[in-house]
Amino acid sequence: AQSVAQPEDQVNVAEGNPLTVKCTYSVSGNPYLFWYVQYPNRGLQFLLKYITGDNLVKGSYGFEAEFNKSQTSFHLKKPSALVSDSALYFCAVSSSLNTGFQKLVFGTGTRLLVSP
Amino acid sequence: GAVVSQHPSRVICKSGTSVKIECRSLDFQATTMFWYRQFPKQSLMLMATSNEGSKATYEQGVEKDKFLINHASLTLSTLTVTSAHPEDSSFYICSASGTGGGADTQYFGPGTRLTVL
Repeated sequence: AQSVAQPEDQVNVAEGNPLTVKCTYSVSGNPYLFWYVQYPNRGLQFLLKYITGDNLVKGSYGFEAEFNKSQTSFHLKKPSALVSDSALYFCAVSSSLNTGFQKLVFGTGTRLLVSP
Repeated sequence: GAVVSQHPSRVICKSGTSVKIECRSLDFQATTMFWYRQFPKQSLMLMATSNEGSKATYEQGVEKDKFLINHASLTLSTLTVTSAHPEDSSFYICSASGTGGGADTQYFGPGTRLTVL
C-alpha cells in the first residue's frame, strides 16, 4: 500500500525567506514522487517529479525538492518565497510496482501563506 | 505542453437531473484519464481510472451506475453524474497521462464545481 504524509496543515513564511513544505512517503518498490500546487477553485498544476536519477529535482517557478531514500522524504523547497506562491501544495506518490497506469496517492495538502 | 481542459467549469442543477462533465487533453494523447473528487479543504479522492476504449476501473465505494465514465477517444473522457443529489455537490477534477505528456505524470484539468440544489 502507498501512503503520503504532509505533517503541516499550514506553513507561514515571509516574502524573501526560504520555504520548506514537508512530505514523507511509504511505498513498496521504488517511489515515483510528485509535487502539485492548487490555487483557489482551480485544478492542480504540476511542479516537479522524481522518478530516478539525481536526488535534487528542479521544477517550475523556482521550486525544487530533494529525494531522501533513507528518510523516505521528498520535501519541497524554494530559496526565496514570493507572495504569489501562496497556495495549497500536494505531495503525491506512485510506485514502480504499479502495472499499467500510475495510480497516485495524495497527501492531505499543506497551505502555504507568504506574507509581504 | 500537456494541457488538460474541463467543461463546464461550473454547473448548477436540480436534484434528480444528470450532469455531464468533459475532460480533454489538448496537446497530447491521453491513454489514461483519472477522475477525482475533492471536498472543501480536503485532498483529492480518486473515483475511477479509464483507459481509452475500455471500461473504467472504479475505486471501492464509488457507484458505477451513478458516476458513468466514458473514454471514447485518446483526447476525451466524460463523467456523467446520474440522478444527482445535493450530496453529490463537489469539485470534480480530471487528469490525464499519456505518450505526449509522459506516461508517468498526470496533468490536471481546472476542475468543475457541481452544485445540486
